[in-house]
Amino acid sequence: AIQVTQSPSSLSASVGDSVAITCRASQGIGNDLGWYQQKPGKAPKLLIYATSTLQSGVPSRFSGSGSGTDFTLTISSLQPEDFATYYCLQDYNYPRMFGQGTKVEIK
Amino acid sequence: EVQLVESGGGLVQPGGSLRLSCAASGFSLSAYWMIWVRQAPGKGLEWVANINRDGGQKYYADSVKGRFTISRDNAKNSLHLQMNSLGAEDTAVYYCVRDDGGRYSSGWYDAFDVWGQGTMVTVSS
Repeated sequence: AIQVTQSPSSLSASVGDSVAITCRASQGIGNDLGWYQQKPGKAPKLLIYATSTLQSGVPSRFSGSGSGTDFTLTISSLQPEDFATYYCLQDYNYPRMFGQGTKVEIK
Repeated sequence: EVQLVESGGGLVQPGGSLRLSCAASGFSLSAYWMIWVRQAPGKGLEWVANINRDGGQKYYADSVKGRFTISRDNAKNSLHLQMNSLGAEDTAVYYCVRDDGGRYSSGWYDAFDVWGQGTMVTVSS
């Protein structure tokens, strides 16, 4: 199975900061990676699919990049509602694998 | 309103069985691949299984293969997960998820765009 290593596991940032979260796949997965946001007690929400395509209704401060084995989710100008846990998901093959998650906390 | 509502969770003894259901409303289930994702208390997300539009293709996580069975009833707009030989490691919130994926220049992509509220499964004696 393709493993996905997400980093960092947590980070502290202030409103207005720009942050980056990375996922590294154990082998090349093309552009088959998505990003999800989860707030405490809530179901996850789709942010980005196919590496860089923003889901409808997701603010443009979210962006995704990468290819092959290395991928990045960037949140420019953090807003209060962005403090949450973020997960990547490889959908290149089965079994699908989520990253371990990155908790974005308020500094 | 597009919605997924899970049911069937609860407390079950180790070695027991449970059947989860997911009722879809606001859209036709038959047009989508569907997925089950779980989350153990305080842990991350784990993809469990998925099923194609007509139920002819099913894929499972290694951790549940041979114990869990995903199925669907498009006529009733419902998705199911039969869970057997349950162990403590199966304790989690189980989410029913719609996949609005499709084709793009590099192949096929997943897009888990609609999630249920989740149903809790606790395996304990």
